[in-house]
Amino acid sequence: QKEVEQDPGPLSVPEGAIVSLNCTYSNSAFQYFMWYRQYSRKGPELLMYTYSSGNKEDGRFTAQVDKSSKYISLFIRDSQPSDSATYLCAMSARNQFYFGTGTSLTVIP
Amino acid sequence: ETGVTQSPTHLIKTRGQQVTLRCSSQSGHNTVSWYQQALGQGPQFIFQYYREEENGRGNFPPRFSGLQFPNYSSELNVNALELDDSALYLCASSATGFRAQETQYFGPGTRLLVL
Repeated sequence: QKEVEQDPGPLSVPEGAIVSLNCTYSNSAFQYFMWYRQYSRKGPELLMYTYSSGNKEDGRFTAQVDKSSKYISLFIRDSQPSDSATYLCAMSARNQFYFGTGTSLTVIP
Repeated sequence: ETGVTQSPTHLIKTRGQQVTLRCSSQSGHNTVSWYQQALGQGPQFIFQYYREEENGRGNFPPRFSGLQFPNYSSELNVNALELDDSALYLCASSATGFRAQETQYFGPGTRLLVL
């Protein structure tokens, strides 16, 4: 079993839709939870991070962590064509760092 | 754009050769991590250096080695290249050691092709 599982998609939504991206994990030692966005031929860019269960909001983005279910989510409100990218969840514990495989998102104008 | 730069941008090597990839960290960052990203996959953690010492390592064989210099720039060395080493190699810098991993800033990567 992989440490982090993420549905690779692809996911295609119309502009303005609410997008839900999810990851599950197996290691209860994970302390930090992150979401990155990666455009084609670029390095990942940090969107949000959190270290506790609950919700964290930043503009159109909301990160949700449920440690009891080992489940994290990223919600994108009012999605824009510029949000089209691959979204990677990531988690860390001690000196180890794990990424999901990424979900490819296309927002259609 | 982050302040992390990597060189070269692309590289072609043959099986069995050795390669050195370079990374310049964002100003003020003393921690660098290296990742391997195969096509269609998420980045895989190779190792991290904090103040010139290896500070954590993923599941990669010893032929993957690294260095961090006093100016916090870094190198990734891979010996005895294999075809499966073909990937995008990313470095990421952060400010204050492993507890700051949630605030890593990635460079654009070096794309390595092994023939």
